[in-house]
Amino acid sequence: EPEVTQTPSHQVTQMGQEVILRCVPISNHLYFYWYRQILGQKVEFLVSFYNNEISEKSEIFDDQFSVERPDGSNFTLKIRSTKLEDSAMYFCASSGGATVIGYTFGSGTRLTVV
Amino acid sequence: DQQVKQNSPSLSVQEGRISILNCDYTNSMFDYFLWYKKYPAEGPTFLISISSIKDKNEDGRFTVFLNKSAKHLSLHIVPSQPGDSAVYFCAANAGNNRKLIWGLGTSLAVNP
Repeated sequence: EPEVTQTPSHQVTQMGQEVILRCVPISNHLYFYWYRQILGQKVEFLVSFYNNEISEKSEIFDDQFSVERPDGSNFTLKIRSTKLEDSAMYFCASSGGATVIGYTFGSGTRLTVV
Repeated sequence: DQQVKQNSPSLSVQEGRISILNCDYTNSMFDYFLWYKKYPAEGPTFLISISSIKDKNEDGRFTVFLNKSAKHLSLHIVPSQPGDSAVYFCAANAGNNRKLIWGLGTSLAVNP
């Protein structure tokens, strides 16, 4: 069964450093998403991406965050200058259509900022 | 932001019995609801969904009921199996917005 692949599974970084979280969505999907879950809190929407541009972003997704689809297969989330509060599980998802049906999530990257 | 609420953080059920997981929402603009299941160290997996024009959707052992007037939905699993032990998330969506709003999740333990 097709799956969304995320790397690395766990990343530890120093506060203030830049991190790039990588995702390979399902190949024929057109919509891509990042969500995050801080320990003990809700899963939160960060951003959706379609047709090589951001289609929607949350208030969490400030200037420190950016997304890119550099080569037509990878979908990356960059955090420019990490803060302690960025520590969370980051989930990438993709979907084939415009509706939420068929949202497939990756296994997540656990980001720990120290 | 408490638009989607799952008030029971955990639920324990005997194998073979029914599991009922509840979810309440406050935003009347939500028109699509989904249940996801999550095992440790894995991402959420889509389980079942329901449109606001329906009040019930069934898929095998899983049934979701929607009560729009009460802004309440529930997921029924019957019969429950030990492999169903996981965290179950309720999520909601409004219109053309592809963003999902999530509850905090309910951890289900099915005991053999």
